[in-house]
Amino acid sequence: RKEVEQDPGPFNVPEGATVAFNCTYSNSASQSFFWYRQDCRKEPKLLMSVYSSGNEDGRFTAQLNRASQYISLLIRDSKLSDSATYLCVVDTDNYGQNFVFGPGTRLSVLP
Amino acid sequence: EAQVTQNPRYLITVTGKKLTVTCSQNMNHEYMSWYRQDPGLGLRQIYYSMNVEVTDKGDVPEGYKVSRKEKRNFPLILESPSPNQTSLYFCASSGGRQNTGELFFGEGSRLTVL
Repeated sequence: RKEVEQDPGPFNVPEGATVAFNCTYSNSASQSFFWYRQDCRKEPKLLMSVYSSGNEDGRFTAQLNRASQYISLLIRDSKLSDSATYLCVVDTDNYGQNFVFGPGTRLSVLP
Repeated sequence: EAQVTQNPRYLITVTGKKLTVTCSQNMNHEYMSWYRQDPGLGLRQIYYSMNVEVTDKGDVPEGYKVSRKEKRNFPLILESPSPNQTSLYFCASSGGRQNTGELFFGEGSRLTVL
């Protein structure tokens, strides 16, 4: 079983749609959780950190369920510019940092 | 400006010709790491470093070497490149959990080995 798994995608949605991505992780000792966005042939960039209480940044909402080892990202009112690959990232090391990336879910927002 | 800088950005080389991809960060980060990204396989960690003179293997270290003599630099060395090392390489750094824990990436180095 892979350490971090994501919806395989791709997701093709119309502008204005709400889309949700799911991510599961296998290491129950994981400490920190993130969603990164990667545009084609570019470097990944932090979209948002994910906190136990859940957090929201504009149209983006991230949730963490430690008991189920599950992370989600909700995008409301999708824009064309949201088209990208979304990477779930888990820091699995208790003593330092060891980032494990999910395979990513590709989103295409269509006009 | 806080950044991670990789060079070269693009390189075409031939099998067996040693090459080094440099990585430098100006954020005084302790953690640095190298990844390769291949279609369908996502980002895979090659090596990482928790601090100066401390390096460790990631998931796919075969065929690569690294060094961490200074905090800001973390070069990736391919002693004898082979075509299966053709890939997009990313260097990244992080200030650790005492900071935001965020990974900052360089712009990537696209390597082709003929």
